[in-house]
Amino acid sequence: EAQVTQNPRYLITVTGKKLTVTCSQNMNHEYMSWYRQDPGLGLRQIYYSMNVEVTDKGDVPEGYKVSRKEKRNFPLILESPSPNQTSLYFCASSPPPGQGGSWPQHFGDGTRLSIL
Amino acid sequence: GENVEQHPSTLSVQEGDSAVIKCTYSDSASNYFPWYKQELGKRPQLIIDIRSNVGEKKDQRIAVTLNKTAKHFSLHITETQPEDSAVYFCAASEPDSWGKFQFGAGTQVVVTP
Repeated sequence: EAQVTQNPRYLITVTGKKLTVTCSQNMNHEYMSWYRQDPGLGLRQIYYSMNVEVTDKGDVPEGYKVSRKEKRNFPLILESPSPNQTSLYFCASSPPPGQGGSWPQHFGDGTRLSIL
Repeated sequence: GENVEQHPSTLSVQEGDSAVIKCTYSDSASNYFPWYKQELGKRPQLIIDIRSNVGEKKDQRIAVTLNKTAKHFSLHITETQPEDSAVYFCAASEPDSWGKFQFGAGTQVVVTP
């Protein structure tokens, strides 16, 4: 089954304790992206990657790191989490944009992070 | 960078009526505009999208229109059904960075029987 898998699904942790949220896709997609979702703010892009070893900042990259060493994986790293990073996080993947066609992002089920 | 505003934030409609959600964007060079639907507790899913070289696109009860001059695009849902109840997000891709997206804040649509 084609899917984007995020782990963990839920995490409660404390300020300053480094954490990693993993994201893996089995669709051989070049494009991957991380978003955070907060009430009233919609989805805000953190980082995205057009291919292996290519990453770029989205709108809210501060406090986050990513890496793209393999096509299928795109982990999100919070080196020193703070309470304002408490949020629902989504990873997404997509094939390259087609000429004139749709470019659907396939989202994972989300990871709910609580930073105390 | 691009900025996307979405209205209304909530929309209540009677089953069978139409629903319209409007988004405005700031960068006239933006060229790709998707719409995502997110049911409660679920992941967002693409329902329709449009490129800047097209004025309208339809898929059964859903349509999207784009007005490049006014820099806005709208989602139209006809003959609404209870399963249309969800949060809908519009988005625009940054013109110079294909992978960079700006999403609207979302519209909570409630369809009452």
